[in-house]
Amino acid sequence: DADVTQTPRNRITKTGKRIMLECSQTKGHDRMYWYRQDPGLGLRLIYYSFDVKDINKGEISDGYSVSRQAQAKFSLSLESAIPNQTALYFCATSESTGTGFYNEQFFGPGTRLTVL
Amino acid sequence: QKEVEQNSGPLSVPEGAIASLNCTYSDRGSQSFFWYRQYSGKSPELIMFIYSNGDKEDGRFTAQLNKASQYVSLLIRDSQPSDSATYLCAVGLNNDMRFGAGTRLTVKP
Repeated sequence: DADVTQTPRNRITKTGKRIMLECSQTKGHDRMYWYRQDPGLGLRLIYYSFDVKDINKGEISDGYSVSRQAQAKFSLSLESAIPNQTALYFCATSESTGTGFYNEQFFGPGTRLTVL
Repeated sequence: QKEVEQNSGPLSVPEGAIASLNCTYSDRGSQSFFWYRQYSGKSPELIMFIYSNGDKEDGRFTAQLNKASQYVSLLIRDSQPSDSATYLCAVGLNNDMRFGAGTRLTVKP
């Protein structure tokens, strides 16, 4: 079974709808991340969480919110979807490490979201 | 100025050649550097990580870090068609991670 899973894998929705993307992991990692990927722009960090009680905004958090329900679960919500949120969304996890350093991130399979 | 920059390519090399991928970053305080490989339609997977100045080798892959010049590179020796993918440079920056846009590599048989 995959260590990092994302649901749904594909979603088509309409402008103004509320959408939730879910991420679960069995790796036992404390740190979890949400990224979006757009052609030519690479991966951009939306939100990250270093433990259950810690939520931080990333580079592009406007229009998104997150919930860390448990160590293993991290959900991303689009409160009112708009077409420019059409993208490939990845969840990732990593182990905790010393201040300023990062360990390898393990990525889920991605969710392809289309907002019409 | 983007915080992590890569040449978008495409970079094309013949099979068996050395592929050289480069990445520059803007924040001198960065301490963690990663190269990920991403096949089309798939999620990124780690190739190499490096924390200290100098070279780090793992099989056909060598990562090179020069903090004074703020660049990190990835060399792929004896390139194979299966190496054809997009390579993402990632830099641990303050409390988050920043990725470059990626370089698309094609290895021609």
